[in-house]
Amino acid sequence: DTAVSQTPKYLVTQMGNDKSIKCEQNLGHDTMYWYKQDSKKFLKIMFSYNNKELIINETVPNRFSPKSPDKAHLNLHINSLELGDSAVYFCASSHDHRAYEQYFGPGTRLTVT
Amino acid sequence: GQQVMQIPQYQHVQEGEDFTTYCNSSTTLSNIQWYKQRPGGHPVFLIQLVKSGEVKKQKRLTFQFGEAKKNSSLHITATQTTDVGTYFCALSSSNTGKLIFGQGTTLQVKP
Repeated sequence: DTAVSQTPKYLVTQMGNDKSIKCEQNLGHDTMYWYKQDSKKFLKIMFSYNNKELIINETVPNRFSPKSPDKAHLNLHINSLELGDSAVYFCASSHDHRAYEQYFGPGTRLTVT
Repeated sequence: GQQVMQIPQYQHVQEGEDFTTYCNSSTTLSNIQWYKQRPGGHPVFLIQLVKSGEVKKQKRLTFQFGEAKKNSSLHITATQTTDVGTYFCALSSSNTGKLIFGQGTTLQVKP
């Protein structure tokens, strides 16, 4: 009965590879987000989708491409991985795109070697 | 864009001591949220403050929103080892739900 789930939990890969992270929420929420947490624990928004529509697209390299096949799923695909992409990526969801509390997934720790 | 500064970055306390973390903004905030992240865990929502001067309590945790809505604080009374973690304040956009996080305060509690 996990509310927001992400797969995989850990991802170790080499520079130049392409990888995807998947996120699913069973809360019936309309809005989903991707955040990046760096080694200093700083959390930064990357993208947000509201009912499958992109509403937030921060200054993120275009190697990162989110996809929302339906409002319960938000995936993140990363092309040509770089060392600086190493971080923990959190998916989150909220009731809708207004200022509501957000529910975070367990995170995906990405290590690029 | 909007920013929120959070201090201190780290705090080590003896179990039973009090702890406070502060968030400050140069602009008026529409609301502020607080999250807790345990070591190795994910951020968990604690509370949202909306009104000027608002004070909310959750057991040993007291949250305040400044009168000018430019600052907020989280105070923990008589810390316990279960309070260990990083506490984040975050301001949210009422249009997009975008959260802008403070740098976080990492609390260590010595038993």
